[in-house]
Amino acid sequence: DADVTQTPRNRITKTGKRIMLECSQTKGHDRMYWYRQDPGLGLRLIYYSFDVKDINKGEISDGYSVSRQAQAKFSLSLESAIPNQTALYFCATSDFRGADVLTFGAGSRLTVL
Amino acid sequence: DAKTTQPNSMESNEEEPVHLPCNHSTISGTDYIHWYRQLPSQGPEYVIHGLTSNVNNRMASLAIAEDRKSSTLILHRATLRDAAVYYCILRTTGTYKYIFGTGTRLKVLA
Repeated sequence: DADVTQTPRNRITKTGKRIMLECSQTKGHDRMYWYRQDPGLGLRLIYYSFDVKDINKGEISDGYSVSRQAQAKFSLSLESAIPNQTALYFCATSDFRGADVLTFGAGSRLTVL
Repeated sequence: DAKTTQPNSMESNEEEPVHLPCNHSTISGTDYIHWYRQLPSQGPEYVIHGLTSNVNNRMASLAIAEDRKSSTLILHRATLRDAAVYYCILRTTGTYKYIFGTGTRLKVLA
């Protein structure tokens, strides 16, 4: 099994729908991140969490919310999806007790029609 | 947040060394330099990181300028499987968040 698992891997939805992308990890890391990637562009940080009670906005948090249900779970929600939120979303984890290296999931491709 | 600047694309011949540059002129004294790469249709993966001294691992080497305002990722013998987008990013002091740029797309020619 993958260290960082994202579900769903692919999702097509309509404008205005609520969408949740889930991320779970088995690495025991405290830190978790959500990134967004648009075609031909790099990754942009949406939200990050350093522990269950610590959640921070990243570069592009507008239109998104997150929930850290447990150390191992970090969910990203789009309350009312819009077409320009069509993108590839990545979850990542890191361990500050080590080198704080990022481990990424395989990605969730979201299409908003 | 300190930013990094990389060339948009580079080409290399297979079996030859590749030097991927990165400028980070506003780096802070305790910011770590990290390199990741993203293979087609995959999530980014860690390559190497360093603070002041040059670093080597099984994947690559990292050369850091004495003033730390630039660094170079060195792939000693490029293979077709090294074709990817390479990201140079800084682990920012205080916030400890990772800000990615657009990276360098490396094309390896057979």
